[in-house]
This record gives sequence, C-alpha cells and structure tokens, in this order.
Amino acid sequence: QIQLVQSGPELKKPGESVKISCKASGYTFTDYAMHWVKQAPGKGLKWMGWINTYTGKPTYADDFKGRFVFSLEASASTANLQISNLKNEDTATYFCARGTTGFDYWGQGVMVTVSS
Amino acid sequence: DVVLTQSPATLSVTPGERISLSCRASESVDTYLHWYQQKPNESPRLLIKYASQSISGIPSRFSGSGSGTDFTLSINGVELEDLSIYYCQQGNSLPHTFGAGTKLELK
Repeated sequence: QIQLVQSGPELKKPGESVKISCKASGYTFTDYAMHWVKQAPGKGLKWMGWINTYTGKPTYADDFKGRFVFSLEASASTANLQISNLKNEDTATYFCARGTTGFDYWGQGVMVTVSS
Repeated sequence: DVVLTQSPATLSVTPGERISLSCRASESVDTYLHWYQQKPNESPRLLIKYASQSISGIPSRFSGSGSGTDFTLSINGVELEDLSIYYCQQGNSLPHTFGAGTKLELK
C-alpha cells in the first residue's frame, strides 16, 4: 500500500536549522511530484511548494523562498524539507503530500516547535 | 494568487441532513478544484478531485460540483464521523492555494 512516512517531532531554538524527511513506499517515487504544506497551530493549510521527483527541481511559494529548501534522496524514495534560521513563526506541522494538482496521499505530519 | 473563499466558516448540522459547502475562487480554476477533510490531529484526506470526481474508499454521500469560480461540496445524510474541517484547494495555477476551511459541528 502507498505510504508517506515522515520523521519525528522536533524542538528547536530560534536561529537553528531543522531537516524533515518524507519516505515514500508502495509506488514509483519518480512518477509523482511531492508537495509540502504548512499548518500552524489552530490554523488552516498553506501550500509551501513542490519538488519534481524526476528532475529534482524545486518550486517555492513566495513566502517560502530563502530559508526553505526541498531536496531528494531519490535512491531512498525520500523527500526532505530543510528550514534554516528558524523563527518562532515556523512553529507548525509540516506535511508532505503526493500529487499533481491535488494531493491523494499525505504524510502523518511533523510538528516543529521553535522556542527559546 | 487565486483566493479561495469558503462559506460558511462554521456549519451546525443534525445527523441525517443534506448539506452544501461553498468554495468560490477569485478567478477561474477550470475544474482544478479539490476537496479535503481534516479531523483533529490527523492529516487531510482527499474527498473529491477535479471538482466532481469521486475517490476510491470515500463514502458515496460525498459529492462535488462546479467549474470556473463556484464550487460545492455536498454531503447527503451527514453522519457524526463527518464532523471535521473541510478545505478546498485549487491546482490550476501556482501557487496552489487552499481555502480557509469550513468547520462542521453538531447542532
């Protein structure tokens, strides 16, 4: 069965970096794009961008340009999200989601807490 | 960016009733409009794709309609397990955007 399994929760201080992973199984990894979605506590869903799993090219929404990096370990069917210079407002759950224009499978989400 | 406006923000429902949720786009998204259900502390789940296409494993009481700028998600016979937040999302243009959600609560 198709699964996206994400890494565990993170507690970080402002200014630190974090790397979140999303391991796919049950399908051919390079056949589908991987998207990233942010959900701040008690808030709605915000699309961060996507990475072409065939070419490795990332595309970022405007609010996520600069400190956010999407990458792949294609041999391991894994997509990664790295956030540098963490800020309090980065506290959120981050989801990976498979799809083209809509997202049919989602990871379980990673809660990142930024606190001094 | 395409803005998706969902209404109402909250809907109080009685089990068994038929309800409709609205999603209006600030410009045409053709039928690249998808609906999700999210329960507390869970990941979103795709309910309807491309405005009206059903998803395997989703109960048949969920249906979608619309094209262009006006879309509707209908639930024919609400059940208690449907008390959740519902989001629409457009995939017609970048950035892909989500609506703010409609929360279904028990009347």
